[in-house]
Amino acid sequence: GAVVSQHPSRVICKSGTSVKIECRSLDFQATTMFWYRQFPKQSLMLMATSNEGSKATYEQGVEKDKFLINHASLTLSTLTVTSAHPEDSSFYICSAPQGEKLFFGSGTQLSVL
Amino acid sequence: AQSVAQPEDQVNVAEGNPLTVKCTYSVSGNPYLFWYVQYPNRGLQFLLKYITGDNLVKGSYGFEAEFNKSQTSFHLKKPSALVSDSALYFCAVRAWGNTPLVFGKGTRLSVIA
Repeated sequence: GAVVSQHPSRVICKSGTSVKIECRSLDFQATTMFWYRQFPKQSLMLMATSNEGSKATYEQGVEKDKFLINHASLTLSTLTVTSAHPEDSSFYICSAPQGEKLFFGSGTQLSVL
Repeated sequence: AQSVAQPEDQVNVAEGNPLTVKCTYSVSGNPYLFWYVQYPNRGLQFLLKYITGDNLVKGSYGFEAEFNKSQTSFHLKKPSALVSDSALYFCAVRAWGNTPLVFGKGTRLSVIA
């Protein structure tokens, strides 16, 4: 079946640095990808919708200058957390639709010290 | 806009007893309904989905869910709970097309031996 690969699975970084998370659809093309964030013991909240060849659509309250999304090809979307701070520590997970199905990456646990 | 309600933060059940995790939804048009499970420090695992057809959907690990259009519900059930079923369960809904999943807040299931 279709697979979405997300890397890295875990990253620890210093406050003020930037972190890039990659999400790849391995055997299908994804014109759209979704980025979610999950704080401890909370639900998954949609951050933004990534669109191949155009600007991402951000949900209300999500800073687009802080969470940079690039969807440069039909199989790759990246989320860059710029100038990360401890409050950005969270579990980030991407997903890509294929028809009525939605495939998830394995997630990235970001810890900002 | 879509929304999902999981009215119970926590469900406790004895091993071997039947379990139910409740979910109600709101969506324009026909709903696509999903259940996911999340184990500690891990990503989401797909359990089952309802797209169309039989209202009773069978999924992984012996779980099933019943789509009830009149009550806008999609409760997750299992006839006999296992301790290993203890995890965080998310109900989710999406509309047709390249639309994101909207997740409920999650229900923590504890199966006690």
